[in-house]
Amino acid sequence: ETAVFQTPNYHVTQVGNEVSFNCKQTLGHDTMYWYKQDSKKLLKIMFSYNNKQLIVNETVPRRFSPQSSDKAHLNLRIKSVEPEDSAVYLCASSLTGRVIPEQFFGPGTRLTVL
Amino acid sequence: AQRVTQVQPTGSSQWGEEVTLDCSYETSEYFYRIFWYRQLFSGEMVFLIYQPSFDTQNQRSGRYSVVFQKSFKSISLVISASQPEDSGTYFCALSAPGSWQLIFGSGTQLTVMP
Repeated sequence: ETAVFQTPNYHVTQVGNEVSFNCKQTLGHDTMYWYKQDSKKLLKIMFSYNNKQLIVNETVPRRFSPQSSDKAHLNLRIKSVEPEDSAVYLCASSLTGRVIPEQFFGPGTRLTVL
Repeated sequence: AQRVTQVQPTGSSQWGEEVTLDCSYETSEYFYRIFWYRQLFSGEMVFLIYQPSFDTQNQRSGRYSVVFQKSFKSISLVISASQPEDSGTYFCALSAPGSWQLIFGSGTQLTVMP
């Protein structure tokens, strides 16, 4: 099956802890993204990455960092979580040059910070 | 700066009716892309339809079509013969050259009554 996979589905942690979320795509895409969806369902881009370029949204706090081992993986690390980091984190991927260049999304990781 | 606005937070229709969901956007780019996605209650994001700015023809895909008014920077999603399974939150998204990151609107939650 080809898709975008995210682990874990849910994570509950306490303020100050470090967390890491995994994303893997088996679609052969060359670009991956992380989005944050808050409790009001507002979706905001955090990062985009292909093998040439990392683009960071300027509003993303420095405690967030993407980590990529190859073009099929883009993990998200949060160094010291804060309550406002509680959200659903959605990973997506796309392929440059497709006629219809839609992004394919994973199921999301729901983070709760106590 | 780029921005996407969806002024209808909610919408409803009866089974079989045509539904129109509105979206407006701001961008200074000449070339850009507009996407419509539906988010299911499970959180899954499903791609619906894509409109490139260079194509003045309204795109169609199955029961989905768009009304693209480039000069007004607006694009509406039209769902023909709506069904209860069409219920969910509909997001309009804009992407532009450079990162091709998606800038999302706030979404319209649609309920289709049986």
